[in-house]
Amino acid sequence: DTGVSQDPRHKITKRGQNVTFRCDPISEHNRLYWYRQTLGQGPEFLTYFQNEAQLEKSRLLSDRFSAERPKGSFSTLEIQRTEQGDSAMYLCASGWGGGATDTQYFGPGTRLTVL
Amino acid sequence: AQKVTQAQTEISVVEKEDVTLDCVYETRDTTYYLFWYKQPPSGELVFLIRRNSFDEQNEISGRYSWNFQKSTSSFNFTITASQVVDSAVYFCALSEVKSTGANSKLTFGKGITLSVRP
Repeated sequence: DTGVSQDPRHKITKRGQNVTFRCDPISEHNRLYWYRQTLGQGPEFLTYFQNEAQLEKSRLLSDRFSAERPKGSFSTLEIQRTEQGDSAMYLCASGWGGGATDTQYFGPGTRLTVL
Repeated sequence: AQKVTQAQTEISVVEKEDVTLDCVYETRDTTYYLFWYKQPPSGELVFLIRRNSFDEQNEISGRYSWNFQKSTSSFNFTITASQVVDSAVYFCALSEVKSTGANSKLTFGKGITLSVRP
């Protein structure tokens, strides 16, 4: 049973460029979450999906951010016109929504640096 | 709104000492989950424990133990006989429970950096 994987692990980009991150959840998990973590802080919720439906978005998710999970499996998080303030670790987690086994398992993260 | 406070920011101990990491939470929900995660230097968050708000029994897993007290809204984590490999950032987190029984987004504290010296 493989864990959550994220790609790429590191991304360096110039301000104004678009970037896209991918997350592959644990295969039997129907819920997928995105969080952002800045230095010295705990992760902050961005959005989550149950299957292909995006059920909740944080106000942190500005119009420049968009997330998709087209077939209810992997998910992508795109940031358009990146800003230096977008520099952070982007974490993906997956879990099984329903019953008593609701635990979110995290991937290794994608570290974004915007120059 | 939900809130998790980890008042300790950094703790340094010598190997084999016991150490307790404090977590205080705020929520208006009567049903919720509490979690602890470990984030070693590699960066990946590792799940340690989940506790349902209706289950106030303390739990022990090897050198780890957790004390959940609803009366003080605390969910403290104790490492007994600490080891160098315990050095990491530890996060306490809280989630609400939807009507389906599934939990939702996690609200994290700021984390506690634990350094265990040989």
